[in-house]
Amino acid sequence: GQNIDQPTEMTATEGAIVQINCTYQTSGFNGLFWYQQHAGEAPTFLSYNVLDGLEEKGRFSSFLSRSKGYSYLLLKELQMKDSASYLCAVRDGNYQLIWGAGTKLIIKP
Amino acid sequence: DTAVSQTPKYLVTQMGNDKSIKCEQNLGHDTMYWYKQDSKKFLKIMFSYNNKELIINETVPNRFSPKSPDKAHLNLHINSLELGDSAVYFCASSQGGDVDEQFFGPGTRLTVL
Repeated sequence: GQNIDQPTEMTATEGAIVQINCTYQTSGFNGLFWYQQHAGEAPTFLSYNVLDGLEEKGRFSSFLSRSKGYSYLLLKELQMKDSASYLCAVRDGNYQLIWGAGTKLIIKP
Repeated sequence: DTAVSQTPKYLVTQMGNDKSIKCEQNLGHDTMYWYKQDSKKFLKIMFSYNNKELIINETVPNRFSPKSPDKAHLNLHINSLELGDSAVYFCASSQGGDVDEQFFGPGTRLTVL
């Protein structure tokens, strides 16, 4: 079966750095996405990786290792507004998007 | 200038009723989706649809049916509502291409009593 694993919850301090990991096992691979979802709101697109390596976008970076079935989302200079759930999703060999359950990130002052 | 909109935002109804949720996108996208997000926050794809193909998640009961009057709209009709249908339903759209990121509507919280 297809599976995406992420930690359920993480806590970090304002101004710090946090890394959210995602491991996946899918039938084929055609890209990995990270979405942010604030409580009671819709998911919004953060990043996309299809080749190995690091993609940087402002305070957020996303890394992919296809051979290890592994990705992480790195958030720097954390702000209170970064408190949200972060969803990892993989597009499989049939171009279907498989979603993880999300990691709830709690930022403390 | 809302990109993807859904109505209603909240829907409270009795078991056995039939209800519809409307979705509209003004992004000119070719593909639209319906997702169910349950209390454990899993996003489960229910349908994806473009003007050529409807893809149905085989786990979705046939009480659920998508209806698309045109490319900008994909409504979700639910017959004989059950308690387990209570969830947040998200509509989304995408344009295709290499990234093909999805743009989500605000969600409809359905409560079945």
